[in-house]
Amino acid sequence: SYVLTQAPSVSVAPGHAASITCGGNNVGSKSVHWYQQKPGQAPVLVVYDDSDRPSGIPERFSGSNSGNTATLTISRVEAGDEADYYCQVWDITSGHVVFGGGTRLTVL
Amino acid sequence: QVQLQESGPGLVKPAQTLSLTCSFSGGSVTSGHYFWSWIRQLPGKGLEWLGYVYYSDTPYYNPSLKSRLSISLDTSKNELSLKLSSVTAADTAVYYCARATGATSSFDLWGHGTLATVSS
Repeated sequence: SYVLTQAPSVSVAPGHAASITCGGNNVGSKSVHWYQQKPGQAPVLVVYDDSDRPSGIPERFSGSNSGNTATLTISRVEAGDEADYYCQVWDITSGHVVFGGGTRLTVL
Repeated sequence: QVQLQESGPGLVKPAQTLSLTCSFSGGSVTSGHYFWSWIRQLPGKGLEWLGYVYYSDTPYYNPSLKSRLSISLDTSKNELSLKLSSVTAADTAVYYCARATGATSSFDLWGHGTLATVSS
């Protein structure tokens, strides 16, 4: 089955950029989606189809996907961005949904 | 305003069947190209996809749970349901229902989640 790998944690100072990566075999050939989850809340879609943003999501959130790595970049990080971030793909071969293990973003 | 709302017993005994429902308001589960899914989160852990159903198609299940899991749509009630049999403490989790768009395969709408605890 398809596997997505994320680093458990990333730390960044306020005002700086944070990069959260999602690794998978030839993940660049798939559409990657990213979710933000704050404690006690349901996940929220922040980037879909590698780099598109749903309405209401700040432009500070951007994504890219190539080769074996997809990346979520949060520019000018704010304290309110502190959360867990998950990547997700739909494995067309199996018809199954796959989530990465999640990355906890800590704002120093 | 479209929204999803999960409901369930909260506490289930080991070896019993966990039954959850998810009500969709502000639209119909049969309209549009949407896939209706259950996702769970074990305490302190990440998201685990359980399965999805498209209203006119066969459900897809996570292989690790397929033998115990049933997901279905009740179009008359505009609800999604989940039944997980032979539960153990390892099934204690927050269970979310979510809608995925067929166009992008991303989950654009989530319920708030419901905690199901397996304990005697």
